[in-house]
Amino acid sequence: SQTIHQWPATLVQPVGSPLSLECTVEGTSNPNLYWYRQAAGRGLQLLFYSVGIGQISSEVPQNLSASRPQDRQFILSSKKLLLSDSGFYLCAWNRVAETQYFGPGTRLLVL
Amino acid sequence: AQSVTQLDSHVSVSEGTPVLLRCNYSSSYSPSLFWYVQHPNKGLQLLLKYTSAATLVKGINGFEAEFKKSETSFHLTKPSAHMSDAAEYFCVVSDPQGAQKLVFGQGTRLTINP
Repeated sequence: SQTIHQWPATLVQPVGSPLSLECTVEGTSNPNLYWYRQAAGRGLQLLFYSVGIGQISSEVPQNLSASRPQDRQFILSSKKLLLSDSGFYLCAWNRVAETQYFGPGTRLLVL
Repeated sequence: AQSVTQLDSHVSVSEGTPVLLRCNYSSSYSPSLFWYVQHPNKGLQLLLKYTSAATLVKGINGFEAEFKKSETSFHLTKPSAHMSDAAEYFCVVSDPQGAQKLVFGQGTRLTINP
């Protein structure tokens, strides 16, 4: 069966510091991968998606970037965090035209 | 463009009474529709999905939803609420093109009163 992992689970970072969140999927190959952000009291916003290694599509302009160095690894990064980057970050995967499955999430607090 | 509107930001019911969470959608395509549940500080779990088969969809934990094209609705129901149903619920529509991007509603927080 397939599983999706995210780490860290919780992160507190100062403004201006770098960020690296990792997502990995097990039990499948060539998945579509997604990064979402959930701000407090709001729905989910798609940040990035990837259909293959090195292929990244950005949905909204922002302070973040994403990379996919391996087939089942998706990384969300920032060089300098802003207060507005605080939120709950969720990674998801699917195969083409199938249901998306979500990871446990990373809660980021920028102070 | 696709969009989803969840008509209630907060629903409160008593344990053992029916649950109704309302969702309307807008889509240029034949949509795929989903309900996801999120318990506090957790990821999202799929409750059920509609993909143009039967209009009444049964999901996990006794939930079901009915796709009504004429009303562009996909309301979520459960005959009898349980305390463990307290969570945030999201109605979602998918974009069938490309990487199947999901469009989320703003969520409905369900509170269960003892």
